Formats: sequence, C-alpha cells, structure tokens
Amino acid sequence: GESVGLHLPTLSVQEGDNSIINCAYSNSASDYFIWYKQESGKGPQFIIDIRSNMDKRQGQRVTVLLNKTVKHLSLQIAATQPGDSAVYFCAEPSPGGSYIPTFGRGTSLIVHP
Amino acid sequence: NAGVTQTPKFRVLKTGQSMTLLCAQDMNHEYMYWYRQDPGMGLRLIHYSVGEGTTAKGEVPDGYNVSRLKKQNFLLGLESAAPSQTSVYFCASSPGTLVGYGYTFGSGTRLTVV
Repeated sequence: GESVGLHLPTLSVQEGDNSIINCAYSNSASDYFIWYKQESGKGPQFIIDIRSNMDKRQGQRVTVLLNKTVKHLSLQIAATQPGDSAVYFCAEPSPGGSYIPTFGRGTSLIVHP
Repeated sequence: NAGVTQTPKFRVLKTGQSMTLLCAQDMNHEYMYWYRQDPGMGLRLIHYSVGEGTTAKGEVPDGYNVSRLKKQNFLLGLESAAPSQTSVYFCASSPGTLVGYGYTFGSGTRLTVV
C-alpha cells in the first residue's frame, strides 16, 4: 500500500552543522506536505509546509525541498543547534483526499554540542 | 491562549479498569483528533471528529470510544483497559480547511496499563 516513510530513523550531527532529514512518499496524488517537530515530552509542532506546485520553500533556518519525480521530500536545517534535537515527522494527506494527514514514522535528530 | 489542553498528563490503570481522557481546545476548531504514539510506530489515528456531535473511526479504533458533545471538547474513553493500550495519547485540533493546516497538538497523556 502507499505510505509515508523515512530513510533514517536517527541522525546525529555536531552543533553548527547543517542537517538533512529525508522522507519518501508513494502517493503521487499528494499535493501538500508538512513537517512537524516533536521535542521530548511534548506534542508535535508544525515547522513548515509545501504544496506540490513548489520545489522549495524556505523558513527561518529551515528549507523543505520537494522532488516529485522521485517522490522525495527533505527538510534541511541550517546551523543546527542543540535546541533542534527532536523527532521530525513528515506528513501527507491520507488516501482518499481527506483533511487528515498521514504521519511518517519519524527521524530522531541528535545534536551534539 | 491555551491551545489544546489534555488531562490528565499521566495515569496508571489496572487491566479491566475504565477511564476517560479529556481534550479541550479554545481555537474554535471544527476538527479534533485522538492519536496514540508507540515507540517506533509514529502517530496512529484512533478516532476523529469533524464537528460537534460527530465522530468517526480512524486507523486503530478498537477498544476506544469517543464523544464530542461540545465543539471545544473531545473525550476518549477506555471501557476496559488492556496492557496493549499502554501508550502516549495525543489530542489535536485543526480548522479542517486544508490537510495538516493549523494542526495543533496537546502535550500528551502517558497511560500505563498494568
């Protein structure tokens, strides 16, 4: 079946490095994607989103890239800080076009000072 | 502005006991959701509601019931708790105008069933 998935369950980086978190999706009809950040002991928080008519979208220190050809999504975090340590989820619309997103399994980002 | 508030934050139940988790939102959102999160499993949708008085099943609804009598509240009930229901439960709400848009999560309820 179609699903949202992540390539790496855990990513360790040094403070100041750039981080790249990847996400593969298989539903070619998905037209909107969201990235969430979940810090330990907290609920997920919205980071950034992107529509399928865009290849790139930038926020504050974060950039999301969308490659529809290979159905791949990535979240880039510039100058990673210890406060960026968290689990990051990508999400896409559930099959059938409802307003409810399907969440990926998540990638744990660990930032070493 | 509190956003989404979940009570309680922690609870330990014995097998067979019942309990209700409360979710309250003050953003006038139409949609509300209950998820469970288990290690390595991500977020799985239990039940959801698209408006006051309506509920629907999600991906893993068995063993749970919900009610949405008021727009701002969404209750999750466990009638007879089982160890398999040990998990962290998250409530979320959204305007329902665009998938994932405005999705706001509560801080979670950690439930242990012994």
